[in-house]
Amino acid sequence: QKEVEQNSGPLSVPEGAIASLNCTYSDRGSQSFFWYRQYSGKSPELIMSIYSNGDKEDGRFTAQLNKASQYVSLLIRDSQPSDSATYLCAVVMNRDDKIIFGKGTRLHILP
Amino acid sequence: DAGVIQSPRHEVTEMGQEVTLRCKPISGHDYLFWYRQTMMRGLELLIYFNNNVPIDDSGMPEDRFSAKMPNASFSTLKIQPSEPRDSAVYFCASSLAGGLPVKQYFGPGTRLTVT
Repeated sequence: QKEVEQNSGPLSVPEGAIASLNCTYSDRGSQSFFWYRQYSGKSPELIMSIYSNGDKEDGRFTAQLNKASQYVSLLIRDSQPSDSATYLCAVVMNRDDKIIFGKGTRLHILP
Repeated sequence: DAGVIQSPRHEVTEMGQEVTLRCKPISGHDYLFWYRQTMMRGLELLIYFNNNVPIDDSGMPEDRFSAKMPNASFSTLKIQPSEPRDSAVYFCASSLAGGLPVKQYFGPGTRLTVT
């Protein structure tokens, strides 16, 4: 199993709908989880962090964490064309405190 | 603040040549990180510094790679000799005290092509 796995996409979502991005990780003891947004040709930008089971909301973004299932997700409500980007999931591994990134999911919001 | 500054933005070199990438972190940030991003491997942490001292270089792929941080405002990543498989985008990032989980600010990256 890869350490951090994401579906590469592209995930196409109509404008105004909810976009759901998923990520699974292998290290059961991991405690810190992050979502980065990366526009084409640009650098990653941290948009969400989550450390506890449950939901964390920030504006149109909601991060969801389920440690028992080793699963973290990002929901984007009222999707906008400007949300079109690659979303990277990052996990700090419990075994060595290293941050491991998934390869990202390409999201395309259809106008 | 100007953000994290990297130079050059693009570098094309021939196999066997030495390549030096440069980074100026955000003033006042204690941590500096070097990442490499490729389609095949995604974004990988190569090395990070705290207060100019290398803390973890286990991500450096091999001895051809070396990184230095002579002072708080400058770091270099050197590849000698370069190989085609080193072609990637190299990002530098910096953050305030707190280590990896703290928000990191990424530079624009250097796109390296080794022919």
